[in-house]
Amino acid sequence: DAGVIQSPRHEVTEMGQEVTLRCKPISGHNSLFWYRQTMMRGLELLIYFNNNVPIDDSGMPEDRFSAKMPNASFSTLKIQPSEPRDSAVYFCASSPLQGDRVFFGPGTRLTVL
Amino acid sequence: GESVGLHLPTLSVQEGDNSIINCAYSNSASDYFIWYKQESGKGPQFIIDIRSNMDKRQGQRVTVLLNKTVKHLSLQIAATQPGDSAVYFCAENSGGGSYIPTFGRGTSLIVHP
Repeated sequence: DAGVIQSPRHEVTEMGQEVTLRCKPISGHNSLFWYRQTMMRGLELLIYFNNNVPIDDSGMPEDRFSAKMPNASFSTLKIQPSEPRDSAVYFCASSPLQGDRVFFGPGTRLTVL
Repeated sequence: GESVGLHLPTLSVQEGDNSIINCAYSNSASDYFIWYKQESGKGPQFIIDIRSNMDKRQGQRVTVLLNKTVKHLSLQIAATQPGDSAVYFCAENSGGGSYIPTFGRGTSLIVHP
């Protein structure tokens, strides 16, 4: 199994630009999570999907952030417009069942200049 | 002004020693606990888990202990190796319909050869 796949691995952009992060969960996994990790705040949950439906988006910082899961094998996290404070490593993770252990992708390191 | 980063607790050990990493969890209703290891530049990876109906579980060189009375979790690593150097996170699932794993702040383990 290839594990959770994220792209791009690194993204450098300028303030105000739109950023789209992509994730392919492990095949057969029903739950998908987007996390953000920074030195200041540690590992934060942004949003959680189950069976492609957003269940909890209370961690999404503000309206500039949006996430979609159009099918079981693909999810996107979009930031528009991006700001320097969005610089972080963004992890996508999936889980076979609700409440089961979570498998993380390699992360996307985002730098907003 | 000076920014305050997330100061991780750090455990420094010599190669070959046993390591004990501790974690206090917050929700007495949590029924599933997981330890993750995060190496530099990678996503967190599953190490071992334990359910609340157990107080000890052993894996290869790792043991997790659960004390529900004081809401405390520990990870013991036997014969620590330089490759064990990483940040270790504990996560709890509170059950009761909530399937979102909540991560602790992490502990940095440094193994000296």
